[in-house]
Amino acid sequence: EIVLTQSPGTLSLSPGERTTLSCRASQSVGTTYLAWYQQKPGQAPRLLIYGASTRATGIPDRFSGSGSGTDFTLSISRLEPEDFAVYYCQQYGSSPPATFGQGTRLEIK
Amino acid sequence: QVQLQESGPGLVKPSQTLSLTCTVSGGSISSGTYYWSWIRQPAGKGLEWIGRIYSSGRTLYNPSLKSRVTISVDTSKNQFSLNLTSVTAADTAVYYCARHQSYYSETSGYAFDIWGQGTMVTVS
Repeated sequence: EIVLTQSPGTLSLSPGERTTLSCRASQSVGTTYLAWYQQKPGQAPRLLIYGASTRATGIPDRFSGSGSGTDFTLSISRLEPEDFAVYYCQQYGSSPPATFGQGTRLEIK
Repeated sequence: QVQLQESGPGLVKPSQTLSLTCTVSGGSISSGTYYWSWIRQPAGKGLEWIGRIYSSGRTLYNPSLKSRVTISVDTSKNQFSLNLTSVTAADTAVYYCARHQSYYSETSGYAFDIWGQGTMVTVS
């Protein structure tokens, strides 16, 4: 099983700041198979990024993804108030065919 | 557009079977090339993939839950269902249904692009 480890666990930032979230895999993950989600309290996760770097439909361009192999990042260029949420990375393909990181909580400072 | 809606009992007794249904609206569960999954999330914790089904009935389960999980599909009702047997308090969670493509989609890759709102199930 591929284990995804996200860091940091919690980030405290202010609107307007830039941030980078990390997702490290225990084994190499093809870029095709890496996605990022945003989850707000009481809501289902929302797809942000797929294929490691492609924004999903309707996702603002302040969100960007990058990385390859075992190290992937999600960057938010200028934090908006609605961006404060929990972010999960997810890999697809290895048994089990879907695993998620434990999440990074982005909170308002 | 396609929407998913979970339904089922919110309270299940220990050792009994948890049964949930996901109703697909706005599109046919039989059309396209989607896998239909169940994912759960204990309160304050992360996401755990439970298993998936294709419209043909072909299934794949998380090895950690495989002995207790059955996922089935009813194409006539545009629904798929989850049965989880011998539940304990550790199975208390919000349960989501979601879909993803079986091939690399230009619009969503292999990612879960549509999710239900989730349903809370308490084992007590």
